Amino acid sequence: AQSVTQLDSHVSVSEGTPVLLRCNYSSSYSPSLFWYVQHPNKGLQLLLKYTSAATLVKGINGFEAEFKKSETSFHLTKPSAHMSDAAEYFCVVSDGQTGANNLFFGTGTRLTVIP
Amino acid sequence: DTEVTQTPKHLVMGMTNKKSLKCEQHMGHRAMYWYKQKAKKPPELMFVYSYEKLSINESVPSRFSPECPNSSLLNLHLHALQPEDSALYLCASSQTDATYEQYFGPGTRLTVT
Repeated sequence: AQSVTQLDSHVSVSEGTPVLLRCNYSSSYSPSLFWYVQHPNKGLQLLLKYTSAATLVKGINGFEAEFKKSETSFHLTKPSAHMSDAAEYFCVVSDGQTGANNLFFGTGTRLTVIP
Repeated sequence: DTEVTQTPKHLVMGMTNKKSLKCEQHMGHRAMYWYKQKAKKPPELMFVYSYEKLSINESVPSRFSPECPNSSLLNLHLHALQPEDSALYLCASSQTDATYEQYFGPGTRLTVT
């Protein structure tokens, strides 16, 4: 069975400090993994994706994530938080098959950035 | 152009009303999706259209009726909704239904009174 656990429902950081949003997954297959960001009253935007190529994935806006199979983790990081990073972040895993009905969303992590 | 547009942004409707949500994309994508998102929850897939044909209906009640008039346009017709249907309705598109990278619209905030 496939599942995603976002370990923190809320993360608060000061502007200019590093960001770490944690995601653990469970998958019977070689998974594809994604991070999406949702700003208030907006749709979801794809930040980055892992699809079995390089384990360190770089995304937009300075975010990156590392796929660690041994730890079944796909944590999202950014070296220095910006006020505009305040949003909801969703970790998403596929079950190895294509199709939108085979994507599993985590429950989300709200990132607050303190000036 | 990598934009998915949705109208209206907000909609308030009574339980006996009939209304429609509209979604449009001009990226040449052949798969389009409707999601429902409740507050502080992740999106839930409702429908998938592939090459203008309904390919997935995730057991959505019949008071929600999707329509895909052409490859750029997706509608969601609403009738006799319940207050618990109040949510953010998101439209998305992707190159085909076999690709994961989906582009989302800003959503329609629906309130059923």
